Amino acid sequence: ETGVTQTPRHLVMGMTNKKSLKCEQHLGHNAMYWYKQSAKKPLELMFVYNFKEQTENNSVPSRFSPECPNSSHLFLHLHTLQPEDSALYLCASSQEPIRGEQYFGPGTRLTVT
Amino acid sequence: DAKTTQPPSMDCAEGRAANLPCNHSTISGNEYVYWYRQIHSQGPQYIIHGLKNNETNEMASLIITEDRKSSTLILPHATLRDTAVYYCIVGGGADGLTFGKGTHLIIQP
Repeated sequence: ETGVTQTPRHLVMGMTNKKSLKCEQHLGHNAMYWYKQSAKKPLELMFVYNFKEQTENNSVPSRFSPECPNSSHLFLHLHTLQPEDSALYLCASSQEPIRGEQYFGPGTRLTVT
Repeated sequence: DAKTTQPPSMDCAEGRAANLPCNHSTISGNEYVYWYRQIHSQGPQYIIHGLKNNETNEMASLIITEDRKSSTLILPHATLRDTAVYYCIVGGGADGLTFGKGTHLIIQP
């Protein structure tokens, strides 16, 4: 247990569906992240939130929409995804200013059909 | 572009020390060296980090060369559960972490 939980753990959705991934951290951290890990590719940083403010968006398509209502919760809203968006989506948190010491959740395995 | 170079895979016998090398010749003065590992289908796990001095915690030791251009992660007594992909990452400042391909460490019984 890392103190970061993600739900659901597995998700299958069609290309016309709308779904949301949820992340919650119980560590009192103030920075949260979304990463994407496709098969046989390195982790890709998608979004960074610092004190609830989005500070980084790594050219992620608009069909991915993050939301950070407070320092403990992070959502990733998904709509009209493509099959190539199938991947493991990982949430992480850290405590400023040591942004490199991140604690990851178990991930959501997403399959787009 | 990856800032680090790691061997793609390594083997180590159970009970022996596993020494994982990493080259980071372009590291800048204020950048840290971080090590993570990822066991299959799980989220990455933070192991250790350092700036200039060698570091040790309950999981591993980190040895950083004096010129900071390379480092070695040492797992003192490897077990089968240490089989994972190990990532050496430089940075961790405002840009966050950039993961490369890492080293797949296989612990042999």
